[in-house]
Amino acid sequence: SQTIHQWPATLVQPVGSPLSLECTVEGTSNPNLYWYRQAAGRGLQLLFYSVGIGQISSEVPQNLSASRPQDRQFILSSKKLLLSDSGFYLCASGDNSPLHFGNGTRLTVT
Amino acid sequence: SQQGEEDPQALSIQEGENATMNCSYKTSINNLQWYRQNSGRGLVHLILIRSNEREKHSGRLRVTLDTSKKSSSLLITASRAADTASYFCATNGNQFYFGTGTSLTVIP
Repeated sequence: SQTIHQWPATLVQPVGSPLSLECTVEGTSNPNLYWYRQAAGRGLQLLFYSVGIGQISSEVPQNLSASRPQDRQFILSSKKLLLSDSGFYLCASGDNSPLHFGNGTRLTVT
Repeated sequence: SQQGEEDPQALSIQEGENATMNCSYKTSINNLQWYRQNSGRGLVHLILIRSNEREKHSGRLRVTLDTSKKSSSLLITASRAADTASYFCATNGNQFYFGTGTSLTVIP
């Protein structure tokens, strides 16, 4: 079965600093990959999805970007963080089958 | 949300009671899935119901789907304290979109 690795688990960054969150997938090849953000006590907002290497689709305009340099690697980045970027970031893998999630990164922008 | 809403937003019941959560969605779907999230963790898949199915069971879980009303319900029977978590529905059309979730508290 698939395993999704996300790191770091928690991160505190100042406003204006850069961001790089990494997600790697084991146990599958050529998966669809997703980045979600979850605000405190809220649902999941789809940020980016990727159907293959170098293929990124963005769901909402924002201060973030995503890249997929390898089949099982998905990176979420920002050049300059905003306070509103704080949240719980979840990486997921899946196609028409159920999604497999990582344990998330809790980002606090101060 | 990008796709749907669950209700109620929060539900508190006694252990042994049944818990019912509802989900409404907006667009056509291939299937609908329910997930569970323990606090501060990733989501775990519970059950999937395809668009041509109306009801599905898995252990203490029962899911219904009404595509004409674009709604689904999740019933957890004989609840346990360990069922305390947030529950989300997700629709799979072209992408996976999640509802806003129901926070369930089961009181021992």
